[in-house]
Amino acid sequence: EVQLVQSGAEVKKPGESLKISCKGSGYSFTSYWIGWVRQMPGKGLEWMGIIYPGDSDTRYSPSFQGQVTISADKSISTAYLQWSSLKASDTAMYYCAVNALGVDVWGQGTTVTVSS
Amino acid sequence: SYVLAQPPSVSVAPGQTASITCGGINIETKSVHWYQQKPGQAPELVVYDDSDRPSGIPERFSGSSSGTTVTLTISGAQVEDEADYYCYSAADNNQNWVFGGGTKLTVL
Repeated sequence: EVQLVQSGAEVKKPGESLKISCKGSGYSFTSYWIGWVRQMPGKGLEWMGIIYPGDSDTRYSPSFQGQVTISADKSISTAYLQWSSLKASDTAMYYCAVNALGVDVWGQGTTVTVSS
Repeated sequence: SYVLAQPPSVSVAPGQTASITCGGINIETKSVHWYQQKPGQAPELVVYDDSDRPSGIPERFSGSSSGTTVTLTISGAQVEDEADYYCYSAADNNQNWVFGGGTKLTVL
């Protein structure tokens, strides 16, 4: 069974750094693009970017380019989304997603709260 | 940047047909996918490649494409279909992808 399991909820202060994770299982992690999606409170879905863990080829939405970094560690089948300096406006739910073996699978989401 | 336009809300009585549209420049040349999201849950794919249905999705969900508009149709809408629906497609050469703004479907 294809599964994505994300790291737990985070509460951070503005200016702090953060790295959240998304661990894949049940498929060849290096063979499928994994994407990240933001959902701000009460708002719609926003595509942030994708990474191909096989060679770490990464694409970013213009809206998120330079604001976040997407990476992957294929040795542990885990993708990451990180911020170097969080802002209050980064408060949101973040999902990872993959379409592997003909199945579209999403992680359970990671809530990030940034507040002073 | 590429924009997919959806109506903010659609209402339908139980058992009736709901149609949710998604429009964008040259959308007829793209593959469009549809997600359903219920409160507190991750999105779920209900239609992919304009009109195909993933395994386990009820037959009442269907998709179609005509001209510059793609449509998600729910035939015989059920109360449990009340959710937010998002269209999703590639913005350009599969380098970037984009979601529509979402449509809140009310079944009452």
